[in-house]
Amino acid sequence: AQSVTQLDSHVSVSEGTPVLLRCNYSSSYSPSLFWYVQHPNKGLQLLLKYTSAATLVKGINGFEAEFKKSETSFHLTKPSAHMSDAAEYFCVVSALSNAGKSTFGDGTTLTVKP
Amino acid sequence: EAGVAQSPRYKIIEKRQSVAFWCNPISGHATLYWYQQILGQGPKLLIQFQNNGVVDDSQLPKDRFSAERLKGVDSTLKIQPAKLEDSAVYLCASSLLGQQSTEAFFGQGTRLTVV
Repeated sequence: AQSVTQLDSHVSVSEGTPVLLRCNYSSSYSPSLFWYVQHPNKGLQLLLKYTSAATLVKGINGFEAEFKKSETSFHLTKPSAHMSDAAEYFCVVSALSNAGKSTFGDGTTLTVKP
Repeated sequence: EAGVAQSPRYKIIEKRQSVAFWCNPISGHATLYWYQQILGQGPKLLIQFQNNGVVDDSQLPKDRFSAERLKGVDSTLKIQPAKLEDSAVYLCASSLLGQQSTEAFFGQGTRLTVV
């Protein structure tokens, strides 16, 4: 079985300040982990992915995430928020040994204030 | 590279009517997924195809939902009859062979409203 918990449904930051979106996962398998972003009326876009290589993963638009097995966490960070980062963010877990089935968290809405 | 194409973008129907959605995945992608995203929630997998075979349909409400991918390329998802709680965005995605390290590419979705 696998599941994802995004610990905050809403996060609000000021432009230029750091962003932290928290994700905890549970998996009976060796997981792969992803972060996707969804802008209003747009499709889901992959930000970054962890697939058992380096535990610190860098993605697009200055985002990065660190896989911490001991804490079963995969938090998403960015040093300085930009107005264009305002969107919905989803943490996803999947496992090849689970037929590659992906399980999404419920999402975190990021608001960026000027 | 063309992305995942879905149609229609929006659909409004009355309860008990039927509706169908279409998806054309990225060329060469063997794995195709249909997700249901209810407002305020993350996408939930309905069905996963590998070529034209079903890999996982455990969360598909089979009494009213059906999906097919006859030639292993494009796919249709049908709801018959629709219920109010089927109002959601239906997302199609595709990937190469469903490997865990492979990114899934998503279409823009079809927003269904059942009234």
